[in-house]
Amino acid sequence: TQLLEQSPQFLSIQEGENLTVYCNSSSVFSSLQWYRQEPGEGPVLLVTVVTGGEVKKLKRLTFQFGDARKDSSLHITAAQPGDTGLYLCAGVTFNKFYFGSGTKLNVKP
Amino acid sequence: GEEVAQTPKHLVRGEGQKAKLYCAPIKGHSYVFWYQQVLKNEFKFLISFQNENVFDETGMPKERFSAKCLPNSPCSLEIQATKLEDSAVYFCASTVTGSNTEAFFGQGTRLTVV
Repeated sequence: TQLLEQSPQFLSIQEGENLTVYCNSSSVFSSLQWYRQEPGEGPVLLVTVVTGGEVKKLKRLTFQFGDARKDSSLHITAAQPGDTGLYLCAGVTFNKFYFGSGTKLNVKP
Repeated sequence: GEEVAQTPKHLVRGEGQKAKLYCAPIKGHSYVFWYQQVLKNEFKFLISFQNENVFDETGMPKERFSAKCLPNSPCSLEIQATKLEDSAVYFCASTVTGSNTEAFFGQGTRLTVV
């Protein structure tokens, strides 16, 4: 069983639409990270959130860490085909990264 | 180097053969992690090292899997007597310190056991 559950698993949307990806856990983490992975590549870090309730913005991407530091969300505004990829959340604690189940996003032009 | 280098990119082994994968972490990074990514995109933790020392090996199937990080050599992950279910992409990542820092991933080694 996954320590971190992501939803939805798959998302196919049109360019310009908004979307939200959720990452939920029953465990508390010292920080939570979001990565994006493209085919044939390793994941690349997008953001790290550390404080409960923290909100970080990266251009059209907004990341939120839950107050209890157990869950997080990633919101993309006006999605573009370049946003296509696998989005992974990772809970970090005790020098270990616990990866979520992943959300595969496809943005159609 | 400035990036995590994994070799080979692809590896095909017959069932029962040995497979050895290599990872050169970024210079100056103290932690190395090995993950197995299977078809459903799940990242399964295998083992981590702090420099040459095993830090956490709770994910390793110990009967057939072994790993090392020796000084002045790439880290390695070895699978003895591969099974069909070992087919996956194996990723290595390195971090400056263990927690709350960015994990830099290599491009992975795709192992296919036939």
